[in-house]
Amino acid sequence: DTGVSQDPRHKITKRGQNVTFRCDPISEHNRLYWYRQTLGQGPEFLTYFQNEAQLEKSRLLSDRFSAERPKGSFSTLEIQRTEQGDSAMYLCASKLRQGSSYEQYFGPGTRLTVT
Amino acid sequence: GNSVTQMEGPVTLSEEAFLTINCTYTATGYPSLFWYVQYPGEGLQLLLKATKADDKGSNKGFEATYRKETTSFHLEKGSVQVSDSAVYFCALSAPGDGTDKLIFGTGTRLQVFP
Repeated sequence: DTGVSQDPRHKITKRGQNVTFRCDPISEHNRLYWYRQTLGQGPEFLTYFQNEAQLEKSRLLSDRFSAERPKGSFSTLEIQRTEQGDSAMYLCASKLRQGSSYEQYFGPGTRLTVT
Repeated sequence: GNSVTQMEGPVTLSEEAFLTINCTYTATGYPSLFWYVQYPGEGLQLLLKATKADDKGSNKGFEATYRKETTSFHLEKGSVQVSDSAVYFCALSAPGDGTDKLIFGTGTRLQVFP
């Protein structure tokens, strides 16, 4: 399978715990995006990387959230001290390079439930 | 700011019926416009796109035309199938900021019955 993969697919955690999600983009895609989707809403942009550089972060991304993309390959999204409001589907997408001619390919998402 | 508004669902149709899902946008300049589809249990997939005014995107029998004058990008299909049941998202990518990030509408669930 050469698509975008995400791990885990589901995560249940207790409030206050830390969680980390992983995204493996399509090989050679230099752009990687994180989105969050809550129930009944469309995905909302969180942050993106070009290679290993994190170039923009949404105001939705509080200080408890951190994302990395070491060596410009896979990416991780960590949430510290989780809150119930963090419960959502976290989506990762990648694209080959900048420009509207290039499609963003989405992974299946990680569903987070904070109890 | 940039935003997308799409009709609320669910939209319930019988097989072979005509489908329209309305989408309007607010953006400065000339955004690129997209329709994504999410089948049950699967990730978002690009259905079609248009990058400039009057362009028509088409795929799998679905069509949408970029209308600058009405800031719309309505999705249409002449004859839906049960297999088209999914959630459809309209999205835009704003020009000029270089991020290519997508701004989505809230999604419209389509249910097609035999």
